[in-house]
Amino acid sequence: GQNIDQPTEMTATEGAIVQINCTYQTSGFNGLFWYQQHAGEAPTFLSYNVLDGLEEKGRFSSFLSRSKGYSYLLLKELQMKDSASYLCAVRAHQTGANNLFFGTGTRLTVIP
Amino acid sequence: GAGVSQSPSNKVTEKGKDVELRCDPISGHTALYWYRQSLGQGLEFLIYFQGNSAPDKSGLPSDRFSAERTGGSVSTLTIQRTQQEDSAVYLCASSSRGQGYEKLFFGSGTQLSVL
Repeated sequence: GQNIDQPTEMTATEGAIVQINCTYQTSGFNGLFWYQQHAGEAPTFLSYNVLDGLEEKGRFSSFLSRSKGYSYLLLKELQMKDSASYLCAVRAHQTGANNLFFGTGTRLTVIP
Repeated sequence: GAGVSQSPSNKVTEKGKDVELRCDPISGHTALYWYRQSLGQGLEFLIYFQGNSAPDKSGLPSDRFSAERTGGSVSTLTIQRTQQEDSAVYLCASSSRGQGYEKLFFGSGTQLSVL
């Protein structure tokens, strides 16, 4: 099975930097995704990591350590529109197919 | 359309009734997923279709839940004898392999309310 943990809620100030952590335990690991979900909307893709290290994409970066079963999403220069839930998802190769399992999400509130 | 389409967007039903939820994936996407999201919660995996392979049904919570995918395209999720705990947003996603990895595109979901 999969066990994906992330904090339930976080609050940060506009213009600041915030790091959202995700730890996982899974068999057949085959990649880690971060999705953003605004209230009442569908999740949208943010980032993908399959090798160790940091992937940077504008204000957002994502890090992966496979040996530690650990990832984080780093958001820089926070904007009010970044208030959303951030979902960590692990792809696992099981029963001959790749499936994608989500954590419960971290609800980020950006305050002025 | 260009995105994943789900219908209906909202469904209110009485306890004990059957419901069908529909998902139209992006054309050409071979993989299709169903997830369930309760208020303020994460995404709970239900079922996964990949091409012509047998679906991964390991996430279906009970035998009241079933899904099919006809012709490798449209999918229908059926919930029989609905219960109040079935109330949730049901999200469908399809995926493509671009840039060497598989990225999911989600529909807007069906909000199911069981009274």
